[in-house]
Amino acid sequence: AQSVTQLDSQVPVFEEAPVELRCNYSSSVSVYLFWYVQYPNQGLQLLLKYLSGSTLVKGINGFEAEFNKSQTSFHLRKPSVHISDTAEYFCAVRGGGSGGSNYKLTFGKGTLLTVNP
Amino acid sequence: DVKVTQSSRYLVKRTGEKVFLECVQDMDHENMFWYRQDPGLGLRLIYFSYDVKMKEKGDIPEGYSVSREKKERFSLILESASTNQTSMYLCASSLLQGVYGYTFGSGTRLTVV
Repeated sequence: AQSVTQLDSQVPVFEEAPVELRCNYSSSVSVYLFWYVQYPNQGLQLLLKYLSGSTLVKGINGFEAEFNKSQTSFHLRKPSVHISDTAEYFCAVRGGGSGGSNYKLTFGKGTLLTVNP
Repeated sequence: DVKVTQSSRYLVKRTGEKVFLECVQDMDHENMFWYRQDPGLGLRLIYFSYDVKMKEKGDIPEGYSVSREKKERFSLILESASTNQTSMYLCASSLLQGVYGYTFGSGTRLTVV
């Protein structure tokens, strides 16, 4: 079974500063990894995903993430944040097998990013 | 783009009522999911369905049931609503066993009084 740990529940930053949201996962098989963003009172929106290939993945809104297999991490980064990036961010993992529980994504508990002026 | 539509954004129900939450997706996805989201607990899977009339329990199925009579529609049923079921409920769908991730609806915020 896989699990996801988001190391920070809250991350406050100032506008135009860089940010990194940390995510570690545990899985006994190859994985697919995702980052979602949730704005207040809305559903989750896919930011980016890692399926295979290049370990640096670029997503929407200027975000990127790096898959590090040896450290079982998939940290999300943005070089310069805006007020509009204030939201909750969720990391998720899907195991690499087929059938049964591999249909499911396992989510971290989320990181609330607050961008201050 | 795939659209997942949840029938209500906000719902207030009384304790003991039977509650139906409806979810419809328009892109022929095989898999559909119901999660509840609570502060500090993240997303917890209630039930999922990988085909019409098929369902599997998630991590917290107690007090809930589901129905999937048609591929595009997945209903969550609270048999007898209780105050501890006050929560945000999120529906999602996926293609190809979730390899590309999920598409989520906007959520239903349910308050049981």
